[in-house]
Formats: sequence, C-alpha cells, structure tokens
Amino acid sequence: DADVTQTPRNRITKTGKRIMLECSQTKGHDRMYWYRQDPGLGLRLIYYSFDVKDINKGEISDGYSVSRQAQAKFSLSLESAIPNQTALYFCATSDDQGASTDTQYFGPGTRLTVL
Amino acid sequence: GENVEQHPSTLSVQEGDSAVIKCTYSDSASNYFPWYKQELGKGPQLIIDIRSNVGEKKDQRIAVTLNKTAKHFSLHITETQPEDSAVYFCAARAGTYKYIFGTGTRLKVLA
Repeated sequence: DADVTQTPRNRITKTGKRIMLECSQTKGHDRMYWYRQDPGLGLRLIYYSFDVKDINKGEISDGYSVSRQAQAKFSLSLESAIPNQTALYFCATSDDQGASTDTQYFGPGTRLTVL
Repeated sequence: GENVEQHPSTLSVQEGDSAVIKCTYSDSASNYFPWYKQELGKGPQLIIDIRSNVGEKKDQRIAVTLNKTAKHFSLHITETQPEDSAVYFCAARAGTYKYIFGTGTRLKVLA
C-alpha cells in the first residue's frame, strides 16, 4: 500500500463550488504539506503543518484553507473554486529528525479542473 | 526573492549516453539539495540528495555535484536507459521546512 494517498485522483468542478482534497499517510510523520504544480512553474507551497495544532501559510495560500484532522490526515479546501486553480495538487510528508534530515515524500497527486 | 533556476527544460539523449541537468539557487543559506523524479501520473520521488557540507554524492548511475561558491548543483545520469525517461526536479531547502523547486526537466531517453 502507498505511504501517502490522495483522494480524489481526478476532479472536475465548476466555478464557485467548494472542493475538498484529502491526504492520508501511514508513514507516522508529523509534518505534512500541500503543493500546487503548474506547467513550467514547478511546485509551490500552499500550506504546511508541523503537527496537529500547527498550521502555516505557504507562498500561495490565498483562496485555500486546510484542516489537520489527525497526525495522519491533512485536507485542502477550495471554498469557492475559480478556473486559475486548475492544477495538479500534491500532498507531502516529512519526518523532522533535525535540520539535517527532512526528506519529503509525495502522494500521487490530484488533478483538479475548474470550469 | 528565493529562486531556483533549472536547465534545460527538455533533454533528449540516446540510450547509453549521459544526461546532465543543472540548477542554480539564490539563497546562500540553503543547506540541502534533493533531486526528484516524476513519472507520468505519479508524485515526485526522491532519487538522490546532497547536503551543503558535501561536494559530490553518487548512487550507482546517478550522481549529484554541489558548488557552494557558485551556488550551482547538478544531476548526472550515466548509461541512460529508457526507464530514466521522466521529469526531474531539483530543489533547495532554505530554513527547516521551505523548499524552493526548479521548474523541471523533461528527459527523454531514445532507444
């Protein structure tokens, strides 16, 4: 079984709809992240969480919100989807063993299309 | 602001040849540089990494070099195989959590 899973894998929705993307992990990591990937732009950080009580904005958090329901679960919501939020979304986890080790492990991604 | 430039954006090589992908970072405080391979329909997977106190690291056919003075790091793949075809991303970590990713290189290995 995959260590980091994302649901749904694909979603098509309409402008103005509320959408939730879910991420679960079995790696036992405290740190979880949401990234967005657009063609030619690489990966950009939306939100990150270092533990259940810690939520932080990344570089492109506008229009998004998150919820850390448990150590293993981290959800990303689009309250009112707009077409320029069409992208590939990745969840990632990492295990903080100190500043020298913080390898990120990515889920398979959710392809979101907003019409 | 912090930036990682990655070149080339696409690279085609003959099977058995070598491939080199280069990245340049802007934040001199960056101390960790991972490389990810992303296959179609999958998330990025770590293939090799290097820390700022090391100049070179090798793992079988893959190697990474780091020049801290020039703020350059490169991925080298030798004896390329068709299964090496994928998109490769470099990244630089600034601080304890923030990764700045390159824009990706699409590598095609021609049989």
